[in-house]
Formats: sequence, structure tokens, C-alpha cells
Amino acid sequence: DTAVSQTPKYLVTQMGNDKSIKCEQNLGHDTMYWYKQDSKKFLKIMFSYNNKELIINETVPNRFSPKSPDKAHLNLHINSLELGDSAVYFCASSRLAGANVLTFGAGSRLTVL
Amino acid sequence: AQSVTQLDSQVPVFEEAPVELRCNYSSSVSVYLFWYVQYPNQGLQLLLKYLSGSTLVKSINGFEAEFNKSQTSFHLRKPSVHISDTAEYFCAVSENAGNMLTFGGGTRLMVKP
Repeated sequence: DTAVSQTPKYLVTQMGNDKSIKCEQNLGHDTMYWYKQDSKKFLKIMFSYNNKELIINETVPNRFSPKSPDKAHLNLHINSLELGDSAVYFCASSRLAGANVLTFGAGSRLTVL
Repeated sequence: AQSVTQLDSQVPVFEEAPVELRCNYSSSVSVYLFWYVQYPNQGLQLLLKYLSGSTLVKSINGFEAEFNKSQTSFHLRKPSVHISDTAEYFCAVSENAGNMLTFGGGTRLMVKP
């Protein structure tokens, strides 16, 4: 069974569209994260949720809106997509807030044309 | 603020040769250090970590890293690499148990036959 699963794995869309990426973890972890990996492989934290509550919100355009319906799910919705949003988005989870050992999903590659 | 520098973006090496992937960090306080590995088209997986105690830490697949406080380094080594070790390796630092991970830019290890 996949511990952290993300869908879709690949997403190709036009500028200006709105899209969502879903994430689910079956590890019983309390905290979930979204990371963005750019074309140069640089990884940067975007959001962190602990038990459905937002605890970290890095400098991310407000076109990005995370939603956590329960502690096993953290979805990422992006409005008005721009070329610069093209990246691989990784969901991750950990047992505790701010814990250092993260379990990552396989990533969702978003391409904005 | 903490930061991580991985000096080599790519390291080509022949199979069965030794390898060292360099990682230096910057922090004003004590740190926890990590190496994560990303195989092609997969998410990141924890390879090894230093939290406290012995400065030499080892993974189950033959990698090891040594925390050197005076040089603020946490270089990753393996005495003999395999083709299957080809992957992207990320060094990461956290300033305490409740702080977020900051990742380096990654080093692509390319093992050639």
C-alpha cells in the first residue's frame, strides 16, 4: 500500500486555468506538507498542516490554496495558473508538527503551457 | 537562518568506485542533519540522519555521513557504488526538533558501468 499518494501524477494545462492536486496519507500522521521542486531540483516548503490546521504558510502567491478536509488529506488548489507554476509538487507527511523525518509522495508534475 | 549548500550539482563516477557528496550548512545554533535520496520519478526517501551522539551515521545500503561541527559539514560517502545508486541526493538541516527542514540544491550521482 502506498503510504503517501498523490493524484494526478502528471498534469498539463493552459495558462489561466484552475487545477487541483490531491494528496492522501495512510500512515496516521498528524502533519502534512506541500513542497515545490523547480526545474533545477530546488525544493521549497509551501504549506504545512497539523491536524487540519495551517501551521506554515511560506511566501506563496494567494493563487495557491491548500485544503485539508481531514488529517489524512491535504489538497492543493491553484487558480489562474502561470508559466512559473510549472514544477513538481510533492506532498509529504510526518508524525509530529515540525518533525524532521518526512514521508514523501511520488510527486505531481505540473506543466503550464 | 539556516541554509544548506551542496557544492556539486552532478557527480559522475564509475561502478565500484568510492564517492563523496559534499554538504555544508550554515546555522547559529545546534542542528539536526539529514540526507534524502530521490530515485528517478519518485519522491524523496530518508537515507540517514544525525540527531545526536556518534558523529558517524550509516544507512542500510552502505552509505555513511559524518557530522563535522568545526567545518559545518555533513558529507555523504560510499566506498563502492552500484548502478542502482544513481539518483539525486539532498542534504537537509533543521535547527531543532520543531523546526522545518531546509534542503540543499541536490547532487545528481551518476554511476556509470
